[in-house]
Amino acid sequence: KAGVTQTPRYLIKTRGQQVTLSCSPISGHRSVSWYQQTPGQGLQFLFEYFSETQRNKGNFPGRFSGRQFSNSRSEMNVSTLELGDSALYLCASSLGDQSAYEQYFGPGTRLTVT
Amino acid sequence: GENVEQHPSTLSVQEGDSAVIKCTYSDSASNYFPWYKQELGKRPQLIIDIRSNVGEKKDQRIAVTLNKTAKHFSLHITETQPEDSAVYFCAATLPFGNEKLTFGTGTRLTIIP
Repeated sequence: KAGVTQTPRYLIKTRGQQVTLSCSPISGHRSVSWYQQTPGQGLQFLFEYFSETQRNKGNFPGRFSGRQFSNSRSEMNVSTLELGDSALYLCASSLGDQSAYEQYFGPGTRLTVT
Repeated sequence: GENVEQHPSTLSVQEGDSAVIKCTYSDSASNYFPWYKQELGKRPQLIIDIRSNVGEKKDQRIAVTLNKTAKHFSLHITETQPEDSAVYFCAATLPFGNEKLTFGTGTRLTIIP
């Protein structure tokens, strides 16, 4: 099976712009979670989508949003970018049911805000 | 919410020796505890996990132990090899329907040849 894929892999944006990141889960996985990784804050949970619905949400401002499509692919959007949004954004997919909690990560999108 | 503490932040061991990384969690309802290995510039890779109904799990040179009463779990790597050098993260999550992973701050493991 193909692994989790993310596009783009690298992105440079200017403060105030917005950005959309994409994540394609492992075939058959219905849950997609997004995480932000920074040297200072580590790995922090953004939100989780399951069957096109946001099921869980972390403690990030409303500028961070997401959605999931019927094929389980997910997108994450950050509006009005700030310098502090520079980070590696990782998505992870899982089956999304009680039989398996394992989450598998994609390679990430490295976002740099200047 | 859940809080996960991880120690040590850095660990250097001689090749062939064992390494142990420890984590504690705060929410007694957490029931799934995975460990991830992240090499430089790469994605976190799930290496082993344990559920709350199991006390220990082993996979070749890697083992994880869980003490629910004390709310801590540990990663044990035996016969360490240079390719074990990486950052290791522990995590915890609540039961189904609330599965966000709360991560520890990571342990940078260096294997000295």
